[in-house]
Amino acid sequence: DTGVSQDPRHKITKRGQNVTFRCDPISEHNRLYWYRQTLGQGPEFLTYFQNEAQLEKSRLLSDRFSAERPKGSFSTLEIQRTEQGDSAMYLCASGDRSEAFFGQGTRLTVV
Amino acid sequence: AQSVSQHNHHVILSEAASLELGCNYSYGGTVNLFWYVQYPGQHLQLLLKYFSGDPLVKGIKGFEAEFIKSKFSFNLRKPSVQWSDTAEYFCAVNHEYGNKLVFGAGTILRVKS
Repeated sequence: DTGVSQDPRHKITKRGQNVTFRCDPISEHNRLYWYRQTLGQGPEFLTYFQNEAQLEKSRLLSDRFSAERPKGSFSTLEIQRTEQGDSAMYLCASGDRSEAFFGQGTRLTVV
Repeated sequence: AQSVSQHNHHVILSEAASLELGCNYSYGGTVNLFWYVQYPGQHLQLLLKYFSGDPLVKGIKGFEAEFIKSKFSFNLRKPSVQWSDTAEYFCAVNHEYGNKLVFGAGTILRVKS
C-alpha cells in the first residue's frame, strides 16, 4: 500500500502523559498536513509542512503540541501533558495544492 | 475567517433516490472547493474538486457538484444513490493561495436497501 500511513492506529493514555504519533506520507509529496477531528465535526487544520519546514500552525496548536518533519520525509506529532480534551482522531495528509491524501488516522483517548 | 456550512447532519434515503447535499462557504476571495467521502472504517477520499472553469464538476462514482459563486455554494448531487454510498461526506474549501483545507461538519448519509 503506497498511501499515507499513520502509527499507531489507536492510543489510550492517562492524563498528563506524553504521546507521539508518526505519519509516513506518500513518498513523492512535499506537503504534509496534520488535522484533528472530534466526534460530529469535520477535520480541523493543525499544521503544515513543506519539506522539512513547518510553514503554518493553527492557533489550535497549543504549546503542548509539537510537530516535526526531519529530512522532509516522515513526520511526528507530540502532545505533552495530555488532557482529556485532547481525545480526538489525529489525521495526517500529504499531497499538493490540488489534492490532499489522508491516512486512516490515530485515535487518541485520554483517560 | 473561512467557514463551511453543511446543511444536513444526517440524511436517510432509499436506494435509487436522488441525493443533494448542501454546502455553503464564507470567503470573499477566490477559492478551491472539494468534496471528500469517508466510507465506514476507511480514510477520507477525494470525490471531486473545483478550481476553475466549468462550474459543474463530475467526480467518481457518479457524483457531481455545482459551484454557484453568487450563492457561495457547492452542492453535491447524485441522481440515483446505491447502498454502497452509505458514508460521511465532507465539503471543504481552501483559498486560492492557501495551504490548508477548511472542512464542514460533515453529512452522514445512510442508504436503505
